[in-house]
Amino acid sequence: LAKTTQPISMDSYEGQEVNITCSHNNIATNDYITWYQQFPSQGPRFIIQGYKTKVTNEVASLFIPADRKSSTLSLPRVSLSDTAVYYCLVGADSSNTGKLIFGQGTTLQVKP
Amino acid sequence: GAGVSQSPSNKVTEKGKDVELRCDPISGHTALYWYRQSLGQGLEFLIYFQGNSAPDKSGLPSDRFSAERTGGSVSTLTIQRTQQEDSAVYLCASSFAGGAYEQYFGPGTRLTVT
Repeated sequence: LAKTTQPISMDSYEGQEVNITCSHNNIATNDYITWYQQFPSQGPRFIIQGYKTKVTNEVASLFIPADRKSSTLSLPRVSLSDTAVYYCLVGADSSNTGKLIFGQGTTLQVKP
Repeated sequence: GAGVSQSPSNKVTEKGKDVELRCDPISGHTALYWYRQSLGQGLEFLIYFQGNSAPDKSGLPSDRFSAERTGGSVSTLTIQRTQQEDSAVYLCASSFAGGAYEQYFGPGTRLTVT
């Protein structure tokens, strides 16, 4: 399983764009990159997933360079409600038989 | 349809007692995960069920922990002879398949061992 490294914590202010980078140097060819968000007292919820280049949905964008050894979750114009823990996961392949394991995540604190 | 449900939502037990935690996954989901989360910590993987395959028990912290999944649906996590360090939130998640498929989490069971 590919090991991931992401910052323990980040601070931001309302209205700013937040970028959280995750390193995954030993990502395998078939691995996908998935990000989850967890609010206090709740289970994590899926945000976005990608394999290469850029993926965008209504919540976030995911940027993946050509070598795929890192990825960046971008949250546009954050609000106080974006305060949460963000997890980067890598290691499941497209054969759908592997398990995905959560690391420590990045705690994002959005300030007014 | 209904999401993942877990019961009980809260459980307080005395040290040394056994507890059973239940997870009802989303219908049709073949993969089921159990995680543990201590206060302020990340998620700790415990066990993974995928279809009819033998479960991946590599995350179970000791032989006091066991889990089963009956009929490919409901799962029960059992902790025998509970210890204070077992106090945590136990989260269950299911997905359509394993691998990169989205995991849907239940609300968790908060276990307190006194």
